Amino acid sequence: GENVEQHPSTLSVQEGDSAVIKCTYSDSASNYFPWYKQELGKRPQLIIDIRSNVGEKKDQRIAVTLNKTAKHFSLHITETQPEDSAVYFCAARGFQKLVFGTGTRLLVSP
Amino acid sequence: EAGVTQSPTHLIKTRGQQATLRCSPISGHTSVYWYQQALGLGLQFLLWYDEGEERNRGNFPPRFSGRQFPNYSSELNVNALELEDSALYLCASSAGVSYNEQFFGPGTRLTVL
Repeated sequence: GENVEQHPSTLSVQEGDSAVIKCTYSDSASNYFPWYKQELGKRPQLIIDIRSNVGEKKDQRIAVTLNKTAKHFSLHITETQPEDSAVYFCAARGFQKLVFGTGTRLLVSP
Repeated sequence: EAGVTQSPTHLIKTRGQQATLRCSPISGHTSVYWYQQALGLGLQFLLWYDEGEERNRGNFPPRFSGRQFPNYSSELNVNALELEDSALYLCASSAGVSYNEQFFGPGTRLTVL
C-alpha cells in the first residue's frame, strides 16, 4: 500500500540556522504533497503544499521542493525562530486518501 | 469563517464500551476525514465521507465506523473499545473530492481505561 517515510524524526537547530526535512513516497500516482505543522496540544495546520506539476514553491521563510522521478519531497525552513519549534508532518495524496509521514520534531534553540 | 469543530474535547470510557465522536466541517465543505493520532505517533487515516457516502477507509477493524449527515457533519463510532484505542481523534474537512486542502479540527482525546 501507499507509504510515506519522513526523516529525521527529531531535529535540533540554533536560531537563525536552516532546517531541512525530507520525505519519500511510494505511490507514483501521488499528485499533491502538503506539509502540516502541529504545535503541542494543537491541531495540525497546513503551512505549504505543492502539486506534482511544480518542482518548487516558496512562501517567505518556507520552501518545498519535489522530485517526482525520485519520489522525494523536502521542506526547507530558513532563518529559523523559536516559534518554529513544533512537529512537522509531510503527506502525499494517492488514491482518494492522504498518507502522512511519521513526523519530525523540530526544536529551535535561542 | 468558523473552522472545523469537534465534540467532545475529552472522552473517558472503559474497555468494551462504545464511543461516539462528532465533527462539524467548515461551512461549504462536503468532505470529512477522520484520523487517529496515538501518543507520539503520526496521523493514521480512518475514514473519508463525502456527500453522505463513505469514500474510503483505512486499515482499521469494522468496529470503527461512522456516518455523514445531510448537513455534512459527521460522527465516528468506536465499538467494543480496547485500551489501544486511546488516542487523539482528528477530523478534517475539505471543499469536496476535487479539492486537496484539508483543514483540521482541534480533536477529541479518547481515553480507554
